Amino acid sequence: GAGVSQSPSNKVTEKGKDVELRCDPISGHTALYWYRQSLGQGLEFLIYFQGNSAPDKSGLPSDRFSAERTGGSVSTLTIQRTQQEDSAVYLCASSLRGDQPQHFGDGTRLSIL
Amino acid sequence: DQQVKQNSPSLSVQEGRISILNCDYTNSMFDYFLWYKKYPAEGPTFLISISSIKDKNEDGRFTVFLNKSAKHLSLHIVPSQPGDSAVYFCAASARGANSKLTFGKGITLSVRP
Repeated sequence: GAGVSQSPSNKVTEKGKDVELRCDPISGHTALYWYRQSLGQGLEFLIYFQGNSAPDKSGLPSDRFSAERTGGSVSTLTIQRTQQEDSAVYLCASSLRGDQPQHFGDGTRLSIL
Repeated sequence: DQQVKQNSPSLSVQEGRISILNCDYTNSMFDYFLWYKKYPAEGPTFLISISSIKDKNEDGRFTVFLNKSAKHLSLHIVPSQPGDSAVYFCAASARGANSKLTFGKGITLSVRP
């Protein structure tokens, strides 16, 4: 399809394991964002990529979280040594440029046991 | 400190009537505002946006009003339809910055047939 694609749609893992979440943005979109939504909360910004510029990592909650975007397209969000408070829906969005509306994928629901 | 507030967690309206969803913000640097609609297990879908240089933007049944002096915006849906039943998120950004969105916690709209 033409929308933002995220995988996996669901991930259940044990506390302490590492997880990797994938986002495939809309073709041609230069801006890519990661957000997370914890239960009963709004979406919380994590990280922003714009073209070849250095990413804005100001929303990452700890150094266990990292993200990369290869070739200006696909992005992966990695969480090391997962904790139960990492359980949330992780959402990826992309936009044509930073000042255009963001379009979201359906998210990855991450559950840490 | 919540910079975008949706103070009512839910709203119920009769089909055909107007739905008015409210949102307040505290950060005077915000200059771009968006509304997203979200169904369960799906990502947010962009509905409508407004720049701070305008006070109204209309798209079909959806109109967003912005009152900068009051730091308040509202989404009007008229006429409301049962398919509009969803969670609605208000979001804001400072486009001169990195364009990350700051979201409210959302409001659940139920449209009764």
